[in-house]
Amino acid sequence: NAGVTQTPKFRVLKTGQSMTLLCAQDMNHEYMYWYRQDPGMGLRLIHYSVGEGTTAKGEVPDGYNVSRLKKQNFLLGLESAAPSQTSVYFCASMNRVSDSPLHFGNGTRLTVT
Amino acid sequence: GENVEQHPSTLSVQEGDSAVIKCTYSDSASNYFPWYKQELGKGPQLIIDIRSNVGEKKDQRIAVTLNKTAKHFSLHITETQPEDSAVYFCAASINNQGGKLIFGQGTELSVKP
Repeated sequence: NAGVTQTPKFRVLKTGQSMTLLCAQDMNHEYMYWYRQDPGMGLRLIHYSVGEGTTAKGEVPDGYNVSRLKKQNFLLGLESAAPSQTSVYFCASMNRVSDSPLHFGNGTRLTVT
Repeated sequence: GENVEQHPSTLSVQEGDSAVIKCTYSDSASNYFPWYKQELGKGPQLIIDIRSNVGEKKDQRIAVTLNKTAKHFSLHITETQPEDSAVYFCAASINNQGGKLIFGQGTELSVKP
C-alpha cells in the first residue's frame, strides 16, 4: 500500500514549455486534489475531483488543467509554463466517508526558468 | 471567502518545553479545523483535527482548542521532543467540502535538545 504517489519528484522547465504531473493513489479514494505550496503562503487548492470523470476549480486554477480519467489517477497539466508557477505541488486524496483524513503525496518540486 | 492567519511563523523551544501555535479564521461557516505536520521533503500529515461542536481535543502530547466566538483555534504540544521539529499548518473548511481546505501560512517549529 503505497498511498499517494507523485511523479516526477523534480522538474525544471523553460518558460512556455508544457508538462503533466501524475498523481496515483491505491486507497480507492473518491476525492482527489492538487495543491501548490509557496513560501509564506501555505498550501492553496488548484483543482479537485470528487469522482472519475469530474473536475472542479479550486482557489488558484488559472494556468492549469486537470483530468481524472481513472479513479486512481489525477493529472495536473501546465500548457505553457510561467515563472510564477515555480512551486512545490502536492496531490492529496480522501475517502468520501465523513471524518476521513486527507492523505498527501510527497510533492513535485517544479522550477520554471 | 475564508482566510486563515497563523502565528508565529517560526518558533524555537527547548526540549521538554511546551509550544503553542495560533490560528484565526474569517468565515463563521467553517466548522472543521485540522492541523498538519510537514517534515522536510515530505507531504503534510494530519496530526489532529477538531470540529466546531467541540471545544478541545487531546491526543497524547498534542491538543487543539477552538473558540468559535473569537474564531480562533490553537495547537498545543507539551513535553516537546526534537522529533517534533517540523513545519505545522492549520487549516479550515466547511464540513461538507471535505478536502477543500484553506491553509494558514505555516509555523516552523524547532525543538533544541
